Amino acid sequence: DIQMTQSPSSLSASVGDRVTITCRASQSISNYLNWYQQKSGKAPKLLIYTAFSLQSGVPSRFSGSGSGTDFTLTISSLQPEDFATYYCQQTHTTPWTFGQGTTVEIK
Amino acid sequence: QVQLQESGPGLVKPSETLSLTCTVSGGSITNYYWNWIRQPPGKELEWIGYIYYSGSTNYNPSLKSRITMSVDTSKNQFSLKLSSVTTADTAVYYCARLTIDISGPGYFNYWGQGTLVTVSS
Repeated sequence: DIQMTQSPSSLSASVGDRVTITCRASQSISNYLNWYQQKSGKAPKLLIYTAFSLQSGVPSRFSGSGSGTDFTLTISSLQPEDFATYYCQQTHTTPWTFGQGTTVEIK
Repeated sequence: QVQLQESGPGLVKPSETLSLTCTVSGGSITNYYWNWIRQPPGKELEWIGYIYYSGSTNYNPSLKSRITMSVDTSKNQFSLKLSSVTTADTAVYYCARLTIDISGPGYFNYWGQGTLVTVSS
């Protein structure tokens, strides 16, 4: 299985901060990388697909980059509604796998 | 707008079979891959497997011996059966649609709200 490792596991940030979350794959996955946001008690919501494509309706403060094994999700200016857990996921090879999640908390 | 809704028992006894159905509304089940994903309380997401509308399947090897998925295109539904459950199978179970990007990669852009299944005697 391809292992997806996110860092950090959690972070504290303030409204307006720039936040960066990293995801590393255990082998190359090209651009087969998606990012999801999950709020407590809710289903995950797709933010970014194919590493850098912004899902329709998602604010432009979210962006993704990377290819191969190293990927980044950036929130350019953190908003109150962005406090949540973020997961990366690879769909390069089954079984498709997710990272362990990064929880963004209020500072 | 496509919507997915999971249904099934919220409590299953150890060694029995967990059965869930996902009903798709607002769109056809045809031409897509339909997935089950689970999340144990406080833990990360785990992909269980998918079924294509034609009936072909791909299961996570970690669960493959216990999984059966089926699809009913006439009802716009697909289902999951997980046999011989233990307490380790307690989780929120989600159904989700995989969309394949024109460049190849797939992503889950529609999810059900999730249903908690507890395995307990």
